[in-house]
Amino acid sequence: DAKTTQPNSMESNEEEPVHLPCNHSTISGTDYIHWYRQLPSQGPEYVIHGLTSNVNNRMASLAIAEDRKSSTLILHRATLRDAAVYYCIRTQGRETSGSRLTFGEGTQLTVNP
Amino acid sequence: EAGVTQFPSHSVIEKGQTVTLRCDPISGHDNLYWYRRVMGKEIKFLLHFVKESKQDESGMPNNRFLAERTGGTYSTLKVQPAELEDSGVYFCASSLVQGWNYGYTFGSGTRLTVV
Repeated sequence: DAKTTQPNSMESNEEEPVHLPCNHSTISGTDYIHWYRQLPSQGPEYVIHGLTSNVNNRMASLAIAEDRKSSTLILHRATLRDAAVYYCIRTQGRETSGSRLTFGEGTQLTVNP
Repeated sequence: EAGVTQFPSHSVIEKGQTVTLRCDPISGHDNLYWYRRVMGKEIKFLLHFVKESKQDESGMPNNRFLAERTGGTYSTLKVQPAELEDSGVYFCASSLVQGWNYGYTFGSGTRLTVV
């Protein structure tokens, strides 16, 4: 099962950091962790992905636990525009799942002014 | 760089009619994917093209759905005949390279309503 576990919802205040958790306890060595987000009335938007090491890009940081059973998406300074549903997606090796992304329910992030 | 474009943005059709959705991927992206979200459920994979070839169509719900990508550029997804349960949002995505080192770029989707 390629599903991950995320909280249904989280709240944050504008300009504060946000830590979005994700559990993927059955992850295997070749599985990547991806994060996408979906703003209202838009398609999913790629945020970041990683395999073993922590990753940083202009949008966010991804912290992956040493045992890789969990990870955290970090938005360093939340803005109102960051209010969206955030999806943590585990991609299995291509032999198993090809190139498909398996979306769960995600975490609805609310950012308060 | 233009993003992934989907047309129409909204479509309302009667049960039994035919609808064709179109997706224009980012220029040069060989990989094109269709996903959909129906009835408030999770976003589900439908199929994957590499250029004009169907790499994986295991997510297509039934034979009322036909996807094409002639010439390896834009793609169409035809639903014929449409049923009420086909209502939802259909997303298209593209990527330059197949594999997990790259993110996918999604379009804004086509909202299909079958009445």
